[in-house]
Amino acid sequence: DTEVTQTPKHLVMGMTNKKSLKCEQHMGHRAMYWYKQKAKKPPELMFVYSYEKLSINESVPSRFSPECPNSSLLNLHLHALQPEDSALYLCASSQDPWPNYGYTFGSGTRLTVV
Amino acid sequence: GNSVTQMEGPVTLSEEAFLTINCTYTATGYPSLFWYVQYPGEGLQLLLKATKADDKGSNKGFEATYRKETTSFHLEKGSVQVSDSAVYFCALSVQAGTALIFGKGTTLSVSS
Repeated sequence: DTEVTQTPKHLVMGMTNKKSLKCEQHMGHRAMYWYKQKAKKPPELMFVYSYEKLSINESVPSRFSPECPNSSLLNLHLHALQPEDSALYLCASSQDPWPNYGYTFGSGTRLTVV
Repeated sequence: GNSVTQMEGPVTLSEEAFLTINCTYTATGYPSLFWYVQYPGEGLQLLLKATKADDKGSNKGFEATYRKETTSFHLEKGSVQVSDSAVYFCALSVQAGTALIFGKGTTLSVSS
């Protein structure tokens, strides 16, 4: 298995909703990442988990809450989002916390906040 | 600081034309360099990489050579196809514990 699987592919949520994005990989990678990508822009790093511990939080608002239940799973819990949070959310993994081998990206969750 | 600069797009080419997308970098130490491709509606895919000076990465007809003297990693393809239409991101990694640093991306549009 050489994939990173993200669910759901599309999500529409209201500003008062609580939802979660899920990411799964079975490649034995020990680093996992959440990125946010706006249209026609590069991905912006949100969080890095290294060996299941949060190692980087790029000053992301607390309405985004990451969780790494085990080495294969990464969640992003969403609460009280704003319309400007609408974007493509990408999960990625790498063999180790130094991405020398490159990242494997999922196909993303396209989030719309209404 | 560490950064990646890519040529501005969009790049518009006819099928079978030669492609060059310029990428230069600024980095401390000895970075690894990457090209990622993003097709419409999809996530990013690693296209090729080079981890030390003078290394050439290649994949699917695309090539890029790590030039330390010019701090560049330009992407080339001899004959593009319509299916190559996508956004191309140059990226670098500097050290353990840090994440990839991306350029702004270059949109390639190939017409038949």
